[in-house]
Amino acid sequence: GENVEQHPSTLSVQEGDSAVIKCTYSDSASNYFPWYKQELGKGPQLIIDIRSNVGEKKDQRIAVTLNKTAKHFSLHITETQPEDSAVYFCAASTRYGNKLVFGAGTILRVKS
Amino acid sequence: EAGVVQSPRYKIIEKKQPVAFWCNPISGHNTLYWYLQNLGQGPELLIRYENEEAVDDSQLPKDRFSAERLKGVDSTLKIQPAELGDSAVYLCASSLTGTGGGETQYFGPGTRLLVL
Repeated sequence: GENVEQHPSTLSVQEGDSAVIKCTYSDSASNYFPWYKQELGKGPQLIIDIRSNVGEKKDQRIAVTLNKTAKHFSLHITETQPEDSAVYFCAASTRYGNKLVFGAGTILRVKS
Repeated sequence: EAGVVQSPRYKIIEKKQPVAFWCNPISGHNTLYWYLQNLGQGPELLIRYENEEAVDDSQLPKDRFSAERLKGVDSTLKIQPAELGDSAVYLCASSLTGTGGGETQYFGPGTRLLVL
């Protein structure tokens, strides 16, 4: 089955700096890669996603890149702000059944 | 538009007691998911419903866990009897469909269970 590994487990950055979180997946049939942000006491919230027919997607300060050959994808947050502090999860899904397999999460701390 | 609704938000019970969680998905969403999230980990799928049919329950511990979605809308997840190791967050999510893959899943706030 699918296995998703996520690094780093914690990340501290200064306000205004960039943050990068990386994930690798094992199933070459995976074709959908969402990123979720989870704040304390809340459920995961989708912030951006990418499909396997696209190499990069950007939404304001957030971007995701996908390398299908290497089976890894990354989340990039630019100009970080204190409200970006949260736990971020990557996930991968195959085309059969919409089953998401999540990484273990990255705790992002943005210091002001 | 209302998001995924879950209740209760918190539950504290003693071991060996039964407990039930309720989920109301986003209106019009045919696919409903129950996930388990242990502390410091990502969510893990327990069961997925397409309308009222459970189409993937391979990760559901069937000796003590059960779920239902009788009318293809609301769903209930039950644990009987609860064990100490069941302490976790139980998340419900929904999507428009689930058969084609790549459908966005929207999560509820979760139910935080503590078993004493």
